[in-house]
Amino acid sequence: NAGVTQTPKFQVLKTGQSMTLQCAQDMNHEYMSWYRQDPGMGLRLIHYSVGAGITDQGEVPNGYNVSRSTTEDFPLRLLSAAPSQTSVYFCASSPRFGTDYNSPLHFGNGTRLTVT
Amino acid sequence: GQQVMQIPQYQHVQEGEDFTTYCNSSTTLSNIQWYKQRPGGHPVFLIQLVKSGEVKKQKRLTFQFGEAKKNSSLHITATQTTDVGTYFCAAGENAGNNRKLIWGLGTSLAVNP
Repeated sequence: NAGVTQTPKFQVLKTGQSMTLQCAQDMNHEYMSWYRQDPGMGLRLIHYSVGAGITDQGEVPNGYNVSRSTTEDFPLRLLSAAPSQTSVYFCASSPRFGTDYNSPLHFGNGTRLTVT
Repeated sequence: GQQVMQIPQYQHVQEGEDFTTYCNSSTTLSNIQWYKQRPGGHPVFLIQLVKSGEVKKQKRLTFQFGEAKKNSSLHITATQTTDVGTYFCAAGENAGNNRKLIWGLGTSLAVNP
């Protein structure tokens, strides 16, 4: 069981370039999400999905797009990278979107992105 | 929006000393989760608390949820170097079905051997 797999582990982009961060999970989880982590800022939710075909914005969605065509995959797209997007990006999934309670999140190993 | 305050931001202890981190909310929480992130790693789920006054233990770690469900704590007894990392609380909103987690900023623990 691989869990949550993120690729690449490291990436350097120039301002204005585009790229896609990949996230795949093999646990049949309904819920998937993307976070960014910056020093002193904790974990901030970018986008999330409660199932295939359904996505929604988190607290910092600007500059990022997502899609969820399958249960397993939830890619994050940077359309035109900016230095402010330099960060560590984590994909996380859980079995379900909480009804009574939130489900524990399973995190990938992260992608360390630098935009110059 | 709703916020969760986590204190302290940093804690430096000698190995064998105890450690506590606190999460406080101004509003009632549905549930609270605790995660640990080792340096250079990713957050790993530790535990979830859902009931008022709930106390759960995992070996040297004790987790509490306040009676009013507005605060929580993680206490580590006799810290070890393997406890080094950042501890995050993540709270579930007590509102409808839109249950996104609200994250504390974390407490970074350093342990001197």
